[in-house]
Amino acid sequence: GESVGLHLPTLSVQEGDNSIINCAYSNSASDYFIWYKQESGKGPQFIIDIRSNMDKRQGQRVTVLLNKTVKHLSLQIAATQPGDSAVYFCAERIGNQFYFGTGTSLTVIP
Amino acid sequence: GAGVSQTPSNKVTEKGKYVELRCDPISGHTALYWYRQSLGQGPEFLIYFQGTGAADDSGLPNDRFFAVRPEGSVSTLKIQRTERGDSAVYLCASSLLGSNEQFFGPGTRLTVL
Repeated sequence: GESVGLHLPTLSVQEGDNSIINCAYSNSASDYFIWYKQESGKGPQFIIDIRSNMDKRQGQRVTVLLNKTVKHLSLQIAATQPGDSAVYFCAERIGNQFYFGTGTSLTVIP
Repeated sequence: GAGVSQTPSNKVTEKGKYVELRCDPISGHTALYWYRQSLGQGPEFLIYFQGTGAADDSGLPNDRFFAVRPEGSVSTLKIQRTERGDSAVYLCASSLLGSNEQFFGPGTRLTVL
């Protein structure tokens, strides 16, 4: 499979602070990059995607940044809430295949 | 509306047995994916259906694994001669054709004793 890695397997943030989750990738042929959130016992949930020819995309309380020069992707969550506690995966899309990283576990401290 | 459902939610079987895992996608979703997720890992792509046909089955680990989607809706993942290493959560996802927004089911936890 393709290599999609994540920096730091765990991340703890104070409620109300901003969170930044990072991801490195190795394949330059990716069409899209996608962030998913997975809560315990559930399937992953789509958060946001970014096309590979873009640098930044914003959603509701989330921003994804793509740096193709260093093959780095980040997800920024503004004003982190307890409900944001979950495992976050970055994934890259190549054709019809999606390659997921190993995940970062985000814990929000009340 | 109803999301993606998977049955059974848990399946315990013995090594060497045959198992079938079922996925009911969201109505109208042409694309359907199967993934396998081991503990502490991200989902691993297995197979992709576009309508009734398996458009990409390159992720299936070996010929013990097979999946069908005969009417372009419900899909069944079939595993023959199960091995202990097959133990994992099997996830199904569906989406509109070409969309990155996959809707995942809750998964089937398969345990091979």
